[in-house]
Amino acid sequence: DTAVSQTPKYLVTQMGNDKSIKCEQNLGHDTMYWYKQDSKKFLKIMFSYNNKELIINETVPNRFSPKSPDKAHLNLHINSLELGDSAVYFCASSPGTSRETQYFGPGTRLLVL
Amino acid sequence: GESVGLHLPTLSVQEGDNSIINCAYSNSASDYFIWYKQESGKGPQFIIDIRSNMDKRQGQRVTVLLNKTVKHLSLQIAATQPGDSAVYFCAENKFTDKLIFGTGTRLQVFP
Repeated sequence: DTAVSQTPKYLVTQMGNDKSIKCEQNLGHDTMYWYKQDSKKFLKIMFSYNNKELIINETVPNRFSPKSPDKAHLNLHINSLELGDSAVYFCASSPGTSRETQYFGPGTRLLVL
Repeated sequence: GESVGLHLPTLSVQEGDNSIINCAYSNSASDYFIWYKQESGKGPQFIIDIRSNMDKRQGQRVTVLLNKTVKHLSLQIAATQPGDSAVYFCAENKFTDKLIFGTGTRLQVFP
């Protein structure tokens, strides 16, 4: 009965490859997010979707493309992976806007070699 | 510019003592604040939140204090336990649809 789940948990890949991370929430929330946490533990919002519509798009390279097939899922596709993309990526969800509690997934640890 | 920061990157406390983790924010327009706990290898976990119309809120063993005059937020943990060892983040929201996280404080509990 995991609330927010992500797959895979670990992802090791070569520079230049394309990869996807999947996120699902079973909380019935309307809003989902992607965050990036760097090696210094700094957490930064990347994207936010509300009922499948993009509402936040931070200054993220366009190699990153989120997709929300329905409000329970928010996937992140990354093209042409670079070394600097290595980080932990967290998915989160909230009932409505980000002015409500956000519930985080366990994270996907991405290592680009 | 806007920022949410923490005074101490690492806090070491003895088991049973009270812990206080501090956070300074720069934007007086922020009206929602939240504390998260992140254990090693896990995602951030909600601890407690507070809105700007309050100056104190209590949970189980935790209390959040908000001082809008000096733009300061603190998290107090009573009777700190080994399981409290983690990185703690404060975050703020100011009428936007995004949460801005601070840099985090590592809490170490020793016997």
